[in-house]
Amino acid sequence: EAQVTQNPRYLITVTGKKLTVTCSQNMNHEYMSWYRQDPGLGLRQIYYSMNVEVTDKGDVPEGYKVSRKEKRNFPLILESPSPNQTSLYFCATAPTFSDTQYFGPGTRLTVL
Amino acid sequence: AQSVTQLDSQVPVFEEAPVELRCNYSSSVSVYLFWYVQYPNQGLQLLLKYLSGSTLVKGINGFEAEFNKSQTSFHLRKPSVHISDTAEYFCAVSGFNTNAGKSTFGDGTTLTVKP
Repeated sequence: EAQVTQNPRYLITVTGKKLTVTCSQNMNHEYMSWYRQDPGLGLRQIYYSMNVEVTDKGDVPEGYKVSRKEKRNFPLILESPSPNQTSLYFCATAPTFSDTQYFGPGTRLTVL
Repeated sequence: AQSVTQLDSQVPVFEEAPVELRCNYSSSVSVYLFWYVQYPNQGLQLLLKYLSGSTLVKGINGFEAEFNKSQTSFHLRKPSVHISDTAEYFCAVSGFNTNAGKSTFGDGTTLTVKP
């Protein structure tokens, strides 16, 4: 079954404690992307990856890091989380950048 | 740079009435256009997309959209809505050439269908 999985689904943490949200896909897609969703602001792109070892900034990359060492995984790293990073995060994948994106179930992050 | 404006944040309609959700975009290069739907407590899924060709695009669940290049619009329509269409709808653009890989979403339109 084609899947995009994110872990954890829910996370409550404290300011400054490094965390990683994982994203994995089993569809052999080249393109992967991270978004955050905040009320009234829609989805904003954080980082995207066109293929292995190729990543680039989206519209709101500050405070986040990513890596793409293998095709199926695209982790989102928050080195020193702050309360303004409290949000709902979605990972998405697509065969290529111009194709339909398939979204994961979301990770709800709260930073206290 | 590219941007998306969804002109209505909330659209309430009665069941079986027609509906139009409006989307305008701007971009310095050509774009691909998408409409996604998000049901409560779920991720997003594709309704329809425009890549090229016919400007009238048909999607799932009876939705359609028309690409208007001169007005830089991509409005979503359905002739008769159901209660189950209650959801949040997002218009999105994906650029190519210098913007390849960048995806920009609108702020969303909440469609509420009343009995």
